[in-house]
Amino acid sequence: KQEVTQIPAALSVPEGENLVLNCSFTDSAIYNLQWFRQDPGKGLTSLLLIQSSQREQTSGRLNASLDKSSGRSTLYIAASQPGDSATYLCAVSRIPLNSGGYQKVTFGTGTKLQVIP
Amino acid sequence: DADVTQTPRNRITKTGKRIMLECSQTKGHDRMYWYRQDPGLGLRLIYYSFDVKDINKGEISDGYSVSRQAQAKFSLSLESAIPNQTALYFCATSDTRGHGYEQFFGPGTRLTVL
Repeated sequence: KQEVTQIPAALSVPEGENLVLNCSFTDSAIYNLQWFRQDPGKGLTSLLLIQSSQREQTSGRLNASLDKSSGRSTLYIAASQPGDSATYLCAVSRIPLNSGGYQKVTFGTGTKLQVIP
Repeated sequence: DADVTQTPRNRITKTGKRIMLECSQTKGHDRMYWYRQDPGLGLRLIYYSFDVKDINKGEISDGYSVSRQAQAKFSLSLESAIPNQTALYFCATSDTRGHGYEQFFGPGTRLTVL
C-alpha cells in the first residue's frame, strides 16, 4: 500500500527566504507525482506535474524534483512571498496492472507554509 | 470562469437527511472523481467515473452513491447523512489525452451533518 509522507507538517519562514518542501513515498512504481496548493477552505490548485520519466519541472519560482529510486520529491520555492502562504500537498499516482487505466492517487497530508512579511 | 464547479459550497444538514452534491466541468475531461478531505487524513477517494457508463467505487464508498448524468456532470449523494460524513468534499477531473492524468479540482463543498 502506497504511503505518502510530508514533513514538516508546518513551516514558518521570513519573506524572501528560499525553502524546500519534502514529500516521500513508499512505492516507487509511480506514474506521476503532482504538487498542489490549497488555500484555507478552498480547493486544490495544481502547481506542477512530474511524470515518472522526468526528474524535475519548473514553473516560475517553483521547481519540483523527483527521485523515484529513493521515493522522494521536493518542491523548491524561491524568494518566498506572503502570498505563498498555504498548505502544499503532494499526490502520487500509479496505474495498477489490469485496472483498465484506473489511476490510483495517494495524497500526503500536506505541509502548512506561513511566510511572514 | 472556473473549469470545475461545485454546488453548494456550504451545506448544513441533519442526521438522516438525503443530500446531493453536484459537480460540473467545462474542461472536456472524460474522468471525474469525488474525494473527501478530513483533517489529518488527507484526501480519500469515494467514487470515480471513466465516462457516463462507467462508475467505480473508491476507498470509502459506503454511505454514498453517485450519478454521471453527462460527461460534464457528476453528482454525489448521501442517502441518509450521518455526523461522521461531515467533511470537505471535492470533485476532480482528469484527462487521459495528452495531460498525463493531471488532476484538476473544484473549490469544494463543506458539509456539516448535525
